[in-house]
Amino acid sequence: ETGVTQSPTHLIKTRGQQVTLRCSSQSGHNTVSWYQQALGQGPQFIFQYYREEENGRGNFPPRFSGLQFPNYSSELNVNALELDDSALYLCASSSGADGANVLTFGAGSRLTVL
Amino acid sequence: AQKITQTQPGMFVQEKEAVTLDCTYDTSDPSYGLFWYKQPSSGEMIFLIYQGSYDQQNATEGRYSLNFQKARKSANLVISASQLGDSAMYFCAMRVLNFGNEKLTFGTGTRLTIIP
Repeated sequence: ETGVTQSPTHLIKTRGQQVTLRCSSQSGHNTVSWYQQALGQGPQFIFQYYREEENGRGNFPPRFSGLQFPNYSSELNVNALELDDSALYLCASSSGADGANVLTFGAGSRLTVL
Repeated sequence: AQKITQTQPGMFVQEKEAVTLDCTYDTSDPSYGLFWYKQPSSGEMIFLIYQGSYDQQNATEGRYSLNFQKARKSANLVISASQLGDSAMYFCAMRVLNFGNEKLTFGTGTRLTIIP
């Protein structure tokens, strides 16, 4: 089975620009969540999508938005980029079940904002 | 709200020795799961082991075991017979076990370095 794939792996943007990050979930998984990991920190939950609807959100402003497509792939969009948005963005997919539902992570997209 | 605390920013361990990585947690929910992930320099988070709050026995997965002490709210990871490939960041995380809730709360991590 294929794992979670993310693109692009690295990108550089300037302050005020917009960025779109993409994620293909693992086969059989219907739930996607996104995390922001600043340098030297643990990942912070941004939001999750289930059946193309956002159904959970962390403490991030509205300029962080997302989409989930019928094939369960997902996009993370960030508008009006700020310097503090520089981070590794991790996508994770899961089956959405209860119990020991393990999230499978991708290798991330490293965003640098200048 | 959930909180994970990892108090060891970095650890150095001789190859083939055992190592314990500390993790304490805080939550008011009675039903939760505790996870350990490994993050090598490539960035991918690799799942290692899971412990549910109602599990009676400590979880084990190969060389990994989880020392779960519910009363102390601790979930330490034990790696036996460490290998050079174990050098990485290790994160403890928790999730409240509500259906559809995929939010993981992570600690700040411990950087483990295995010395030959």
